[in-house]
Amino acid sequence: NAGVTQTPKFRVLKTGQSMTLLCAQDMNHEYMYWYRQDPGMGLRLIHYSVGEGTTAKGEVPDGYNVSRLKKQNFLLGLESAAPSQTSVYFCASSYSIAKIYGYTFGSGTRLTVV
Amino acid sequence: KQEVTQIPAALSVPEGENLVLNCSFTDSAIYNLQWFRQDPGKGLTSLLLIQSSQREQTSGRLNASLDKSSGRSTLYIAASQPGDSATYLCAPNTDKLIFGTGTRLQVFP
Repeated sequence: NAGVTQTPKFRVLKTGQSMTLLCAQDMNHEYMYWYRQDPGMGLRLIHYSVGEGTTAKGEVPDGYNVSRLKKQNFLLGLESAAPSQTSVYFCASSYSIAKIYGYTFGSGTRLTVV
Repeated sequence: KQEVTQIPAALSVPEGENLVLNCSFTDSAIYNLQWFRQDPGKGLTSLLLIQSSQREQTSGRLNASLDKSSGRSTLYIAASQPGDSATYLCAPNTDKLIFGTGTRLQVFP
């Protein structure tokens, strides 16, 4: 049981390049989330999904797109990376009844945009 | 909009002390509240999950209390150890987890 797996773990991009971060969970969770963590800002929700084929905006969605084509995977895309997107990105997942079971987090992706 | 405040922002204590970490939140309509630990450069590890109907939850040397009506939660760490050094985050759940900026704890021998 791997839990929540994020790939890659580290990446350096040049301004304007694109990339996709992958989050995979093997717990049959319905809900999945993408957060970014910046010094002094805490974790902020970018986008989330309440089920296969659904996505919704969080607090800081601009500059990102997401897709949930399969229940176990949640992809975060940067179409044209900017230095302001330098951050650590965390994926999380939960059952739809997150009221009872809480959230599980991945180990993060450290992204630097130069 | 949920806002979460954690006090103190940083704490440095000698080994063996009993600690209190505070978390306050503005929207009391929560389903539950989760406390996490984050080591430098690492992900989040769930420590305790308190349901809105509960007053407290315990795991080993950790005890978390919840006063939903006043928008407060407290994490107690008994007999602190150097291995407890980390950042502690609280996150009330109102459909989405909203995080505070955490308390950075250092326990020295």
